[in-house]
Amino acid sequence: GQQVQQSPTSLVLQEGENAELQCNFSTSLNSMQWFYQRPGGSLISVFYNPSGTKQSGRLTSTTVIKERRSSLHISSSQITDSGTYLCAMEPSYQGGRALIFGTGTTVSVSP
Amino acid sequence: AQTIHQWPVAEIKAVGSPLSLGCTIKGKSSPNLYWYWQATGGTLQQLFYSITVGQVESVVQLNLSASRPKDDQFILSTEKLLLSHSGFYLCAWSLWGGVYAEQFFGPGTRLTVL
Repeated sequence: GQQVQQSPTSLVLQEGENAELQCNFSTSLNSMQWFYQRPGGSLISVFYNPSGTKQSGRLTSTTVIKERRSSLHISSSQITDSGTYLCAMEPSYQGGRALIFGTGTTVSVSP
Repeated sequence: AQTIHQWPVAEIKAVGSPLSLGCTIKGKSSPNLYWYWQATGGTLQQLFYSITVGQVESVVQLNLSASRPKDDQFILSTEKLLLSHSGFYLCAWSLWGGVYAEQFFGPGTRLTVL
């Protein structure tokens, strides 16, 4: 089965609304990353978050390694936040040599 | 500052033809290098990784091969393309200093096999 489960699959927001994206992992992990995937396919690293809470502007990531989960919170969403967000984990058994990706959450923000 | 460059940007190739995709990282010495692939509408999968020149490990078998001829260069290739090779190919790098490290991705190459 899927080692990285992302939810929801898609999200429709009105500008200004908050949103929370979830990532759950079925195996123990060393760390994880959140990415934004542009429509053309390229990836931008949003957070590298092995544990704890990190904030960058309106985005906040919280990872609880022991519970094998991470979340990405978007506050006061803007149209430019639209796109696909991917989470990926470094499983413990791979020794830091692999990232396993989730299937993504597609966020659509309308005015 | 480090930069990662992938070539070509896009390719349209015939089934059965050879393929070579490249990736170059500038500004970092001895990075770990990775190849990922994403079928249209699919999940990103890691294909290969390399921790040093001349050493490449396969993660997923897709009738592709990879080589690292130089410290800053990673090549993905095959002698005969299949329709299933279509998709988006991404190269990534990270540093390995005994701690787990963030991966950074290149702009990608879109491959269409007809």
